[in-house]
Amino acid sequence: NAGVTQTPKFQVLKTGQSMTLQCAQDMNHEYMSWYRQDPGMGLRLIHYSVGAGITDQGEVPNGYNVSRSTTEDFPLRLLSAAPSQTSVYFCASSYGLGHRTLVYGYTFGSGTRLTVV
Amino acid sequence: KQEVTQIPAALSVPEGENLVLNCSFTDSAIYNLQWFRQDPGKGLTSLLLIQSSQREQTSGRLNASLDKSSGRSTLYIAASQPGDSATYLCAVPESNTGGFKTIFGAGTRLFVKA
Repeated sequence: NAGVTQTPKFQVLKTGQSMTLQCAQDMNHEYMSWYRQDPGMGLRLIHYSVGAGITDQGEVPNGYNVSRSTTEDFPLRLLSAAPSQTSVYFCASSYGLGHRTLVYGYTFGSGTRLTVV
Repeated sequence: KQEVTQIPAALSVPEGENLVLNCSFTDSAIYNLQWFRQDPGKGLTSLLLIQSSQREQTSGRLNASLDKSSGRSTLYIAASQPGDSATYLCAVPESNTGGFKTIFGAGTRLFVKA
């Protein structure tokens, strides 16, 4: 089925470890983004990309890196995990840029639940 | 800076009741507004997308309205069912970033009692 695929679904890390959360979409969407969801705080944007080779910071980028080498993939890297990064992470994508993005809305992956101990 | 607020934070209703969920936003210069449903431990599923030129959208028992001038949207659920129990979130693109950043409300957690 077409959509946004996130892996892994669950992950436990020790403080200081690094890891990459994977996100792939097969809808040829130009726009992709990463959010984290914490209780009572809604979703907060970490990083986003408007196309291959182009990324930018969102609201809470510290401690995370992204790259976009292909249209399909948008991995999120945790450089040195901290307990404050315990959260549920969602990847989202949308067709088009600018006004076209606004027209079509967003498709979300099922999330990665990360615990840092 | 765009801020999105959803009231109430939680709602419990008996099965069959009609209900309204509220979403307010501070910057009325939005291009669209999207309502999502999130089941526990799951991702977000898009329910309705309202363009700025529209006043409402309907899908089955769901009806979403948009009043840009007052900065409000409502999600109306008719004849609620236990299967409607979930968290409902609204989201708007940040108006001055061309839709590259989307601002979410914290959601309304709905529980429909059988």
